[in-house]
Amino acid sequence: DAGVIQSPRHEVTEMGQEVTLRCKPISGHDYLFWYRQTMMRGLELLIYFNNNVPIDDSGMPEDRFSAKMPNASFSTLKIQPSEPRDSAVYFCASSFARNQPQHFGDGTRLSIL
Amino acid sequence: KQEVTQIPAALSVPEGENLVLNCSFTDSAIYNLQWFRQDPGKGLTSLLLIQSSQREQTSGRLNASLDKSSGRSTLYIAASQPGDSATYLCAVSGTGANNLFFGTGTRLTVIP
Repeated sequence: DAGVIQSPRHEVTEMGQEVTLRCKPISGHDYLFWYRQTMMRGLELLIYFNNNVPIDDSGMPEDRFSAKMPNASFSTLKIQPSEPRDSAVYFCASSFARNQPQHFGDGTRLSIL
Repeated sequence: KQEVTQIPAALSVPEGENLVLNCSFTDSAIYNLQWFRQDPGKGLTSLLLIQSSQREQTSGRLNASLDKSSGRSTLYIAASQPGDSATYLCAVSGTGANNLFFGTGTRLTVIP
């Protein structure tokens, strides 16, 4: 099993630019989660999908953030326009079912200058 | 909102020692609790998952317990090894949704 795959691993860009983070969940997993990790706030859930449908996006900080899951094997998290305070590590995770462990990707380290 | 606290924030122990990491949560209406390990620059690795109806789970040298009524969980690591050095996070899942609330973690260093 390849695990959850995220790309890119690192992204450095200037404020105001559009950023797109990508995630490929583990095949057969029905749940997909996007998290953000910072020193100040720790790990926070941004949004999660069940069977490609967004279920809870209450953690998305503002309208600059959007997430899509066009099919069972791909999801994107987009920030437009990006700001320096968006700098963080963004993790994608997937799970087979609600009562099963979540499996995390290695994350995307995002730096907005 | 569920709040998860982990104490201590950092812990150093000599190799071979048994140790306990603590996790507390404010809302006892949880669906399950997970313990994760995070190595520097890496994602999280799930170690143990305890359903709300269970009291403990074991995997190798790891044992996690859950006392839902008091809002506490512990992760016991037996015969610690330098390879156990990492940050350990606990996370609880609420009954109303699938989102996980994470603690801030305990950074463990096992000294050879």
